[in-house]
Amino acid sequence: DIVMTQSPDSLAVSLGERATINCKSSQSLLYSSNNKNFLAWYQQKPGQPPKLLISWASTRESGVPDRFSGSGSGTDFTLTISSLHAEDVAIYYCQQYFNSPITFGQGTRLEIK
Amino acid sequence: QVQLVESGGGVVQPGRSLRLSCAASGFTFSSNGMHWVRQAPGKGLEWVAVISHDIRTKYYADSVKGRFSISRDNSKNTLDLQMNGLRAEDTAVYYCAKGGDNYFLIECWGQGTLVTVSS
Repeated sequence: DIVMTQSPDSLAVSLGERATINCKSSQSLLYSSNNKNFLAWYQQKPGQPPKLLISWASTRESGVPDRFSGSGSGTDFTLTISSLHAEDVAIYYCQQYFNSPITFGQGTRLEIK
Repeated sequence: QVQLVESGGGVVQPGRSLRLSCAASGFTFSSNGMHWVRQAPGKGLEWVAVISHDIRTKYYADSVKGRFSISRDNSKNTLDLQMNGLRAEDTAVYYCAKGGDNYFLIECWGQGTLVTVSS
């Protein structure tokens, strides 16, 4: 199974500042035939289901603010929020969909400092 | 818009069975893979199972293999999860979710239904 490890487990950032969450996979998520990374990022707010933010490591979903961006390739990935808004307080999960079983990182709790 | 509405959750004794259902609307159900994902109280996300759009392929997490069975009815736009031999560690909110262009990508989630396994 592919193990997904996020860092840090929790993060406190001031409003307007940058937030960076890292995700490392135990094996490469880059599929050579199409040069795509099978990595997604989700946001989960309290009492709500997760919401897909980014797929293919860096493709922002429709309607997701452009302050959210994803980067990385192979085994190391990053979710960046360029300027934290109050509504960004949530738990963020990375997920690999390279193969079964589909696996998630343990989550990173993002709070306001 | 996409709507996924789960039902069937509740309190069940260890060793008993429960069947969850998900009613889908707002998209062409027969074109998308579908998932069940669960979240134990206060914990992270755990993928449970996926079924391809054409029902030919099913995959399960090791933790539920042999006990849970995923199925779908493309004529009724419904997804089911039959859960047998339930254990305390199966206690969780169970989410029905829609697969994306790559059906392993989870694109959209329902609100979830709570399953509590307790004597």
